[in-house]
Amino acid sequence: DAKTTQPNSMESNEEEPVHLPCNHSTISGTDYIHWYRQLPSQGPEYVIHGLTSNVNNRMASLAIAEDRKSSTLILHRATLRDAAVYYCILRDTTLNSGGSNYKLTFGKGTLLTVNP
Amino acid sequence: GAGVSQSPSNKVTEKGKDVELRCDPISGHTALYWYRQSLGQGLEFLIYFQGNSAPDKSGLPSDRFSAERTGGSVSTLTIQRTQQEDSAVYLCASSWVEGTSGYTFGSGTRLTVV
Repeated sequence: DAKTTQPNSMESNEEEPVHLPCNHSTISGTDYIHWYRQLPSQGPEYVIHGLTSNVNNRMASLAIAEDRKSSTLILHRATLRDAAVYYCILRDTTLNSGGSNYKLTFGKGTLLTVNP
Repeated sequence: GAGVSQSPSNKVTEKGKDVELRCDPISGHTALYWYRQSLGQGLEFLIYFQGNSAPDKSGLPSDRFSAERTGGSVSTLTIQRTQQEDSAVYLCASSWVEGTSGYTFGSGTRLTVV
């Protein structure tokens, strides 16, 4: 899987927007950009994913650079419940000789702290 | 069920004993994955199932680890002759087959080997 680079940690204030960056300069044309988050003592939770166009859902927005070498996860109004580790992951969806394998390879992610 | 269910949620076992961890994926999800997370560490991929077959077992740390999936649904991860370094949270996830949708993770099984 292509690698991603994220800051180790970020801080935000409650009710302010948060922009979490991710660099993926070696992304290939078939890689989807996935974001997950992991709250303390819980399993990871899917947040959003996209390929080329910006995406919005009830949890967040994903802004993808035109060259796809970077992306930004946007939380529009941070709450204390958004404090978590956020993972940016590239997921290759091409078939290989062994069949398809869409496993996610997790890095260290960004630890987001939200201040009241 | 509505989510991925894992049992037990906590397991304490003595070194050398065998343990079985169970994962019940979302109905209809043909892809199933096992990961583990040691204290303060990231997620480590163990094995991937597509239906009942496991095309990628590359993450299993040793031959003490095995997994099976039956009926394209429930999966069991078995650790034989447990060691203290096996202590971790074992997480299961499932997804649709096409690979472009997100995974749903269970809450995990916290395994402690004493």
